[in-house]
Amino acid sequence: QKEVEQNSGPLSVPEGAIASLNCTYSDRGSQSFFWYRQYSGKSPELIMSIYSNGDKEDGRFTAQLNKASQYVSLLIRDSQPSDSATYLCAVNLLTGGGNKLTFGTGTQLKVEL
Amino acid sequence: SQTIHQWPATLVQPVGSPLSLECTVEGTSNPNLYWYRQAAGRGLQLLFYSVGIGQISSEVPQNLSASRPQDRQFILSSKKLLLSDSGFYLCAWSVIGTSPLHFGNGTRLTVT
Repeated sequence: QKEVEQNSGPLSVPEGAIASLNCTYSDRGSQSFFWYRQYSGKSPELIMSIYSNGDKEDGRFTAQLNKASQYVSLLIRDSQPSDSATYLCAVNLLTGGGNKLTFGTGTQLKVEL
Repeated sequence: SQTIHQWPATLVQPVGSPLSLECTVEGTSNPNLYWYRQAAGRGLQLLFYSVGIGQISSEVPQNLSASRPQDRQFILSSKKLLLSDSGFYLCAWSVIGTSPLHFGNGTRLTVT
């Protein structure tokens, strides 16, 4: 089993719709969870951090975390063409004093006009 | 505010040639530093991370090495590049704890 799993997509949604991106992780010791957006040819950009169970909202983005189910999701409301990118889920496990993130392979989102 | 500089942006190198990629961070002290690689169509692979000067942890056995000669400087090197070393190399920093990573703009390396 992969440590962090995401559906590779592409996930296609019409402009203005809600995009729902999902991620599961294997390590129950994981303590922090992040969503990154990566445009083609660019480096990943942090868009959301979540550390405790429940929902966290930031503008059009909502991150949801369920540690019991080892599941984290990202909702994008009122999707725009500029949201078209690959979304990477990243999970942290503290080991040896470091702070290492394990990334999923990403879900490609396409927002269509 | 913190900034991370990574260079060069693109690099084309022949097989067997050496490699040196450099990354520096400004605006923070004693950051954790990381090198990731992203091969075409694949996820991010952690190559090295460092929690302090001279402290390097290697995640994947390969012909690459890393060094941290100064607190905010991280260098990725190779003595002889392989075709399989092609990819998008990303330097990142974080503070101690459960904070997120912040990436530089990356170096796209093509080994020919």
